[in-house]
Amino acid sequence: AQSVTQLGSHVSVSEGALVLLRCNYSSSVPPYLFWYVQYPNQGLQLLLKYTTGATLVKGINGFEAEFKKSETSFHLTKPSAHMSDAAEYFCAVSPRGGGGNKLTFGTGTQLKVEL
Amino acid sequence: GAGVSQSPSNKVTEKGKDVELRCDPISGHTALYWYRQSLGQGLEFLIYFQGNSAPDKSGLPSDRFSAERTGGSVSTLTIQRTQQEDSAVYLCASSLPNREGGIFFGPGTRLTVL
Repeated sequence: AQSVTQLGSHVSVSEGALVLLRCNYSSSVPPYLFWYVQYPNQGLQLLLKYTTGATLVKGINGFEAEFKKSETSFHLTKPSAHMSDAAEYFCAVSPRGGGGNKLTFGTGTQLKVEL
Repeated sequence: GAGVSQSPSNKVTEKGKDVELRCDPISGHTALYWYRQSLGQGLEFLIYFQGNSAPDKSGLPSDRFSAERTGGSVSTLTIQRTQQEDSAVYLCASSLPNREGGIFFGPGTRLTVL
């Protein structure tokens, strides 16, 4: 069975500061990895994903994440936070190949950006 | 192109009534998922459809919940005899079969059971 752990249910950063949201997974085989963002009263928007190829992936809104197999991690970063980045962020995993199809989500991290 | 659409956006119902929630996936996406999001429970998987294969119903919380997908496109999630604990946001998502292109979510239906 696979699982996802997001460290820190709430993260607060100053505008212009580095954003780091942590995600670790547990799976016998490295899964597909996703980050989603949810703004208030909206659905989930796909930020970025890792399936194959380069382990550093770039997404929308200046976010990027690096898959590190040795650390079973897929942390989300952004060099300079903007007020509009305030939202809830979810890390999710899905098995590769024929291991099943559903997404398993972490519990989410609420990002607050302060002036 | 158009994304995943869901209707209604909000639904208020009385305890004991039946409700139907609709999902229109992205054109060409053969995989369709239903999730539920509620305070304290996070994002819960409900059911998954892929083409003509038997759906994965392993996440449905009780036999009051059912879903169907007609013609491999539109899906309807039905909750019978609604209870207050069914109050949540119901999210639909779709993808290509291999998921490598991403799994895309609709805006959700907020269900309130009084």
